[in-house]
Amino acid sequence: DTAVSQTPKYLVTQMGNDKSIKCEQNLGHDTMYWYKQDSKKFLKIMFSYNNKELIINETVPNRFSPKSPDKAHLNLHINSLELGDSAVYFCASMGTGGHSPLHFGNGTRLTVT
Amino acid sequence: QQQVKQSPQSLIVQKGGISIINCAYENTAFDYFPWYQQFPGKGPALLIAIRPDVSEKKEGRFTISFNKSAKQFSLHIMDSQPGDSATYFCAATFNNDMRFGAGTRLTVKP
Repeated sequence: DTAVSQTPKYLVTQMGNDKSIKCEQNLGHDTMYWYKQDSKKFLKIMFSYNNKELIINETVPNRFSPKSPDKAHLNLHINSLELGDSAVYFCASMGTGGHSPLHFGNGTRLTVT
Repeated sequence: QQQVKQSPQSLIVQKGGISIINCAYENTAFDYFPWYQQFPGKGPALLIAIRPDVSEKKEGRFTISFNKSAKQFSLHIMDSQPGDSATYFCAATFNNDMRFGAGTRLTVKP
C-alpha cells in the first residue's frame, strides 16, 4: 500500500492551460503539504493544510490553488500555466505530536511547453 | 531566503570512505532536524533525525552530529557504498513547518 500517492506521475501541457494534481494519504495524518522541486533539486514549501484548514501559504502565485476536500486528500490546481511552472511537485503528509517526519509521494513531473 | 544552508553541493567518495554533509540554520525555534535521501524518480525518504537536546544520533552507518551553540548539524555516512549514491537533504522543523537545505548529490565510486 502506497502511503502517499499522487496522480498523475507525468503531466505535459501547453502554456495557458489549467491542470490539477491529486494527492491522497492513508496514514491517518492531519497535516498535508505541497512542495515544489526545481531543476536544481531545491525543495520549496508551497502550502500546508491541517485537517482541511490552510496553515502555510508561502509566496506562491495565486494561479496555484490547493483544495482539501477531507484530511486525507490535498489537490493542487494550477491556472494559466507558465513555462516557469515546470518542476516536480511533491505531496507530503505529517503526523501530529511534534518531531514528526514528512512522508512524501513520488512526485508529479510537470512540463509546460 | 534560505533558512537552512547545506554544503557541499556535490560530493564524490570512494567505496568504503566517509561521506560528510554539513548544514547550518539561523532560526533557534527549530526543534527537529531530519535528513532525507532521494533517489532519481522518487520522493525524499526519511533517513535519520535528531532533536536539539541530543548531540549525536547513530543508526547503522549513518550518524548525525548536532552542535546547538553553533547552530550546525552534519550527516556522516561511514563505509560509503555505491548504493548510497543519491541526493541528501537536511531539514529543520518548527510547528509542522519543515524547511530544507539545497541538497547534496553524493556519488560513491566503486
